[in-house]
Amino acid sequence: KNEVEQSPQNLTAQEGEFITINCSYSVGISALHWLQQHPGGGIVSLFMLSSGKKKHGRLIATINIQEKHSSLHITASHPRDSAVYICAVTPMDSNYQLIWGAGTKLIIKP
Amino acid sequence: ETGVTQSPTHLIKTRGQQVTLRCSSQSGHNTVSWYQQALGQGPQFIFQYYREEENGRGNFPPRFSGLQFPNYSSELNVNALELDDSALYLCASSLNAGITEAFFGQGTRLTVV
Repeated sequence: KNEVEQSPQNLTAQEGEFITINCSYSVGISALHWLQQHPGGGIVSLFMLSSGKKKHGRLIATINIQEKHSSLHITASHPRDSAVYICAVTPMDSNYQLIWGAGTKLIIKP
Repeated sequence: ETGVTQSPTHLIKTRGQQVTLRCSSQSGHNTVSWYQQALGQGPQFIFQYYREEENGRGNFPPRFSGLQFPNYSSELNVNALELDDSALYLCASSLNAGITEAFFGQGTRLTVV
């Protein structure tokens, strides 16, 4: 079993829909990261959080430390949001690395 | 634009050869981490360099080695290339080691034939 699990693996939605991507992890963490990867490989950090909730524009990230679960929400989705969204954690016992989920491929149709 | 640049962007090598990948960190950052991302999978941590010293290493064999220079740029060297080394290699720079935001380069796509 992977230490970081994401669901769904693939998600296709219509423009304007509310999107939720889930992440569960099994290790103790210092922080959880949500990142976005576009075709071609470039990765952009969206959020780094260790508790509660963060919002940036149409993106919202939440984390429940007790349940070892995080969600990434996209409101009013747009085709330009199409990308792979990856959850990664900084483990408490090795905070020099990120342990990554496999990613969620999101396609938003016009 | 993150300010992290990797070179080359694409590379084709033959099995058994050696390869060097390069990464220039963002200005002011003293920490560089390297990741390997196989097709369709999440990245795997290779190692991290902090102030020119290896600060942590993932589950990769010794033929994966690295270096960080006084200007904090970094190299990833892979000897005796194997077909399974074909992947996207990502470099991330951060302000310090530990729990800080990482800024990623565009990656180097390595194909081993």
